[in-house]
Amino acid sequence: GQQVKQSSPSLTVQEGGILILNCDYENDMFDYFAWYKKYPDNSPTLLISVRSNVDKREDGRFTVFLNKSGKHFSLHITASQPEDTAVYLCAAGLNQGGSAKLIFGEGTKLTVSS
Amino acid sequence: EAAVTQSPRSKVAVTGGKVTLSCHQTNNHDYMYWYRQDTGHGLRLIHYSYVADSTEKGDIPDGYKASRPSQENFSLILELASLSQTAVYFCASSAGTGGSAETLYFGSGTRLTVL
Repeated sequence: GQQVKQSSPSLTVQEGGILILNCDYENDMFDYFAWYKKYPDNSPTLLISVRSNVDKREDGRFTVFLNKSGKHFSLHITASQPEDTAVYLCAAGLNQGGSAKLIFGEGTKLTVSS
Repeated sequence: EAAVTQSPRSKVAVTGGKVTLSCHQTNNHDYMYWYRQDTGHGLRLIHYSYVADSTEKGDIPDGYKASRPSQENFSLILELASLSQTAVYFCASSAGTGGSAETLYFGSGTRLTVL
């Protein structure tokens, strides 16, 4: 089964709006959570990440919220801009035996309309 | 700036043929990964490695082999290419575990078409 799942294949938001991208995971041993951003025909790049010992991490317009009991984490984007239009991939990882293996969700295609 | 280079950028292969995708990193990272991207599936891990001369199976290893002859190089091998292996393949590297060490640095991707 899908260990990391994004419920929304696509989202559209007006420029300046607030949006929330959601991600659910199955393995409650995961201890690292990240959001990657991918433009068409480009490689994914890390947007923001958080470890399991904190519930929230903020970086400018981007905030990750982690709900360990619900096995859920989300990305909040404020003051959305057209350049935020991209595919957002959530990922979760487990530090097991030194392995830094990340499992990705299916991705959410975000469109910010001006 | 982290640098992961993949070759070729695109390739057309015939069913049953052998395909080798190459990846080279200059980050001095221990970990290297091969992912494939398909519409509706995001990125799925095929193989990974945390030390030269050793590889590990990821989540979808069937039909693929991997080779890590040195810290810098990691290859993905399709011995008998099949139509279902048409996808975009991404190589990535990371320093390993611990905070920012989990950050993956991706190559530009290889678009593989199997006919």
